Amino acid sequence: AQSVTQLGSHVSVSEGALVLLRCNYSSSVPPYLFWYVQYPNQGLQLLLKYTTGATLVKGINGFEAEFKKSETSFHLTKPSAHMSDAAEYFCAVSKGGSQGNLIFGKGTKLSVKP
Amino acid sequence: EAQVTQNPRYLITVTGKKLTVTCSQNMNHEYMSWYRQDPGLGLRQIYYSMNVEVTDKGDVPEGYKVSRKEKRNFPLILESPSPNQTSLYFCASSGPRGGRGNNEQFFGPGTRLTVL
Repeated sequence: AQSVTQLGSHVSVSEGALVLLRCNYSSSVPPYLFWYVQYPNQGLQLLLKYTTGATLVKGINGFEAEFKKSETSFHLTKPSAHMSDAAEYFCAVSKGGSQGNLIFGKGTKLSVKP
Repeated sequence: EAQVTQNPRYLITVTGKKLTVTCSQNMNHEYMSWYRQDPGLGLRQIYYSMNVEVTDKGDVPEGYKVSRKEKRNFPLILESPSPNQTSLYFCASSGPRGGRGNNEQFFGPGTRLTVL
């Protein structure tokens, strides 16, 4: 069975600092991995996804994530935080077999200090 | 514009009064799903549908019903709402079927439900 663990329910960084949001997964089959962002009072929006191929995946708004099979990780990074990055971020893994079914982590709320 | 719409966006109701939250997508997606979001618990899947007339339980289906009579619509029904169903609800759609589980899910704006 698949599962997702996001380390840290809250992360605070200064504007211009590195953003690192951690995600570890477990999956009995090759995983498909996703990061979604939720801005206040809005739905979820896809940031990036890993399916197959290149393990470093680039997404929108300067975010990227690296799939590391040996570490079962899919951490999200951004070199320089911007105030507009303040949001909640969710890592998700595809259940596999059932098209579209995702298991979400509990989310990490990112705060950006001026 | 490609989108998933939900109605209502906000709803306050009382225990036991049946309600329906509608969800509609205009992308001809086969897959649709309902989630609830609660603080500290992330998103949990309630029900999903692989296609018209094909629905299945997610992780937290108790107290909910769904139907999929048309491809574009996937209403969520609470026959007898209780206070523990107070939550933020999201509808999502995805497609076409590829059998690979790698398709992006498009989310609606959410419905905030309060059951008194």
